[in-house]
Amino acid sequence: DSGVTQTPKHLITATGQRVTLRCSPRSGDLSVYWYQQSLDQGLQFLIQYYNGEERAKGNILERFSAQQFPDLHSELNLSSLELGDSALYFCASSRGRGREQYFGPGTRLTVT
Amino acid sequence: AQSVTQLDSQVPVFEEAPVELRCNYSSSVSVYLFWYVQYPNQGLQLLLKYLSGSTLVKGINGFEAEFNKSQTSFHLRKPSVHISDTAEYFCAVSDKDFVTGNQFYFGTGTSLTVIP
Repeated sequence: DSGVTQTPKHLITATGQRVTLRCSPRSGDLSVYWYQQSLDQGLQFLIQYYNGEERAKGNILERFSAQQFPDLHSELNLSSLELGDSALYFCASSRGRGREQYFGPGTRLTVT
Repeated sequence: AQSVTQLDSQVPVFEEAPVELRCNYSSSVSVYLFWYVQYPNQGLQLLLKYLSGSTLVKGINGFEAEFNKSQTSFHLRKPSVHISDTAEYFCAVSDKDFVTGNQFYFGTGTSLTVIP
């Protein structure tokens, strides 16, 4: 158990819909990262937050957004969903400054 | 920005044989180095890390890796693999001295299959 929790575990929704994925980092970790993993794209970095502020953006679509709240949990919002958004979404947390990341169990999103 | 190359996308190996999974990174600036393992339908689990000190790092499940600064490599090794080692392995690098932006870079992964 990494100490990072993600909810829900599974999510099935239809095209055009909007969903919110939630992540709680390990106690004391200020950085939260979001990743998308699919068979054809591999592990893709989406976005990073550090103590409530956006720090880095990767291959995140404009239809996707995220935020980190004062209690340090984070949410990833996916809107206008397409079939191609079906993937595993991972959250990871770290102490920051390039230190190791600890991954949550992931949310499997299926868009039908 | 860094790039991380895992030279082998798939590595089949017989049970109890040794294995080496290769990882090279692009820049020789100060870095931290990591290996992660992902079992099917699970998240990534930290296998081992190099932050400083001895270049030979030991991790969980009998794995070890050696940091070679001159060759910018961080290859993962295990002297005798088990069926349970079948998984995807990811190498990752981060810049110690980053100021802004993403400083954590993953390789594309190596699928290790242990054959009975």
